[in-house]
Amino acid sequence: RKEVEQDPGPFNVPEGATVAFNCTYSNSASQSFFWYRQDCRKEPKLLMSVYSSGNEDGRFTAQLNRASQYISLLIRDSKLSDSATYLCVVEGGYNKLIFGAGTRLAVHP
Amino acid sequence: EAQVTQNPRYLITVTGKKLTVTCSQNMNHEYMSWYRQDPGLGLRQIYYSMNVEVTDKGDVPEGYKVSRKEKRNFPLILESPSPNQTSLYFCASSSKTIRDRAYEQYFGPGTRLTVT
Repeated sequence: RKEVEQDPGPFNVPEGATVAFNCTYSNSASQSFFWYRQDCRKEPKLLMSVYSSGNEDGRFTAQLNRASQYISLLIRDSKLSDSATYLCVVEGGYNKLIFGAGTRLAVHP
Repeated sequence: EAQVTQNPRYLITVTGKKLTVTCSQNMNHEYMSWYRQDPGLGLRQIYYSMNVEVTDKGDVPEGYKVSRKEKRNFPLILESPSPNQTSLYFCASSSKTIRDRAYEQYFGPGTRLTVT
């Protein structure tokens, strides 16, 4: 079993749609969680950290469920510019981040 | 402008020919790391460094070397490249460690390496 698992997609959605991604992780001791965004052939960039209470940043909402060991990312009112690969990232121990393989999102007009 | 730079951006080489990929950051970050990214596998950590002269292995260190003689630079060395090291490589830096909870890594633009 992979340490961090994501549905690879692609998720093809029209502009304005709401889309949700889930990610599961295997290490119950993990304390920090993140979503990164990666555009095609570019470097990953931090989208948002994920806190236990859940957090929102504009159209993006991240949730953490420790009991079930999954993290979610909700994108509301999708824009064409949201098309990218979204990487789920979990702390895997001291100084270690474990990256999921990513979920690809394609937003079309 | 705060940034992480890598060179070269693209490299095609032959098996066994030593190469170095440079990485430099101008943010005075203590923590630096190298990753490789392969289709379907996500980013995997090769080596990381907590500070000058402090380096440690990540998940896939075999076939790679690193050094951290200065805070800003963290070169990745392939002494004898092999075709299975064909990959997209990213250098990253951070001012904080995971124990600080808030942990944003800044990535370089990537180096696409092909070993024939």
